[in-house]
Amino acid sequence: GNSVTQMEGPVTLSEEAFLTINCTYTATGYPSLFWYVQYPGEGLQLLLKATKADDKGSNKGFEATYRKETTSFHLEKGSVQVSDSAVYFCALSEWSGTYKYIFGTGTRLKVLA
Amino acid sequence: EAQVTQNPRYLITVTGKKLTVTCSQNMNHEYMSWYRQDPGLGLRQIYYSMNVEVTDKGDVPEGYKVSRKEKRNFPLILESPSPNQTSLYFCASSLQGAKNIQYFGAGTRLSVL
Repeated sequence: GNSVTQMEGPVTLSEEAFLTINCTYTATGYPSLFWYVQYPGEGLQLLLKATKADDKGSNKGFEATYRKETTSFHLEKGSVQVSDSAVYFCALSEWSGTYKYIFGTGTRLKVLA
Repeated sequence: EAQVTQNPRYLITVTGKKLTVTCSQNMNHEYMSWYRQDPGLGLRQIYYSMNVEVTDKGDVPEGYKVSRKEKRNFPLILESPSPNQTSLYFCASSLQGAKNIQYFGAGTRLSVL
């Protein structure tokens, strides 16, 4: 079945450091891919998405490129801020008679001033 | 304001005492879903609904019931809660289609003693 694997956390970085959070997926067809962010005490909210191969999603300085050849959707940011501290979830959605979202386990990011 | 509203936000109950967590959205979304979030397991889908009177099981439906009598509401029912249902629960909604993002409620933290 479909699945999403993302790197274990927590990830601890200093402010202005470069961030990469790895995400790989397995799917039978052509899924849409998403990154969601969860700030403390809140629900998830969309960070960015990509719906076909080679698409790049971007938002708030974060970027991720849909790589079909490596089945990956890694999240990157050039310079993190303390306010980026949160849990990040990679997810996919695919239609196969019905559609369901599948989430990764989440990666906690802590940015130190 | 577009939103998904869950109630209650926090709930402590005892084993076997039936409870309902309500979920309502004001975006006229067809698709609604319930997830539970547990440490190390990420988000797992409990039930989802493609439209009014159409519901289906997700990955972890045991011990839960849902109903979709109106488009805006999608309550989660625990007929006889058990301690292994202690978790953080999220309701989400979206338009139909795998490319569409999900909008999440703020979450309900449930403790079953």
